[in-house]
Amino acid sequence: EAGVAQSPRYKIIEKRQSVAFWCNPISGHATLYWYQQILGQGPKLLIQFQNNGVVDDSQLPKDRFSAERLKGVDSTLKIQPAKLEDSAVYLCASSFSAGGVYNEQFFGPGTRLTVL
Amino acid sequence: ELKVEQNPLFLSMQEGKNYTIYCNYSTTSDRLYWYRQDPGKSLESLFVLLSNGAVKQEGRLMASLDTKARLSTLHITAAVHDLSATYFCAVDPGSGYALNFGKGTSLLVTP
Repeated sequence: EAGVAQSPRYKIIEKRQSVAFWCNPISGHATLYWYQQILGQGPKLLIQFQNNGVVDDSQLPKDRFSAERLKGVDSTLKIQPAKLEDSAVYLCASSFSAGGVYNEQFFGPGTRLTVL
Repeated sequence: ELKVEQNPLFLSMQEGKNYTIYCNYSTTSDRLYWYRQDPGKSLESLFVLLSNGAVKQEGRLMASLDTKARLSTLHITAAVHDLSATYFCAVDPGSGYALNFGKGTSLLVTP
């Protein structure tokens, strides 16, 4: 079974530039998550999708971050404009279904973003 | 807000020794997950604990869950260097919401 795919794996940009990350979840997984992991910390949820609807985006800095999940499969996370404090690893995860016993989340390899 | 606290945050231990990592959380939950993360890598699922009293073992690692005490433990038996990694516990708040992660325990096993 193919895992969660993410691209790019690494990205270096200057502050105020924009950047986009892509995620393809495990086939059949209805729920998709984007997390931000700052060095030395645990992952922090940015946004959660159930199919193509947003379940929770309460911690997404909406003035600069946006995300979409068209057709309930792939997802894109965008930052515009980037700030220095956005330097982090952005992890995409998916689960079969939110809630129940199927909330085990499977993580992609992540995108390491460096903002200079 | 669900708070998840792990301790210790850093752990250096000798090969062959035993140790326990603790994960406390602040609100009712009966589902908890343990993940392992190697440097520069993503998170790998280790254990899924789905009820009070659940115990899972894999090799030198054993995880348990006490939902009444809101506590999970990850016990390491006779540590080996290959176990060096960061270990995260993550609590399922229920109602279909995402997991809440602890800050992680960075484990270094030395000869």
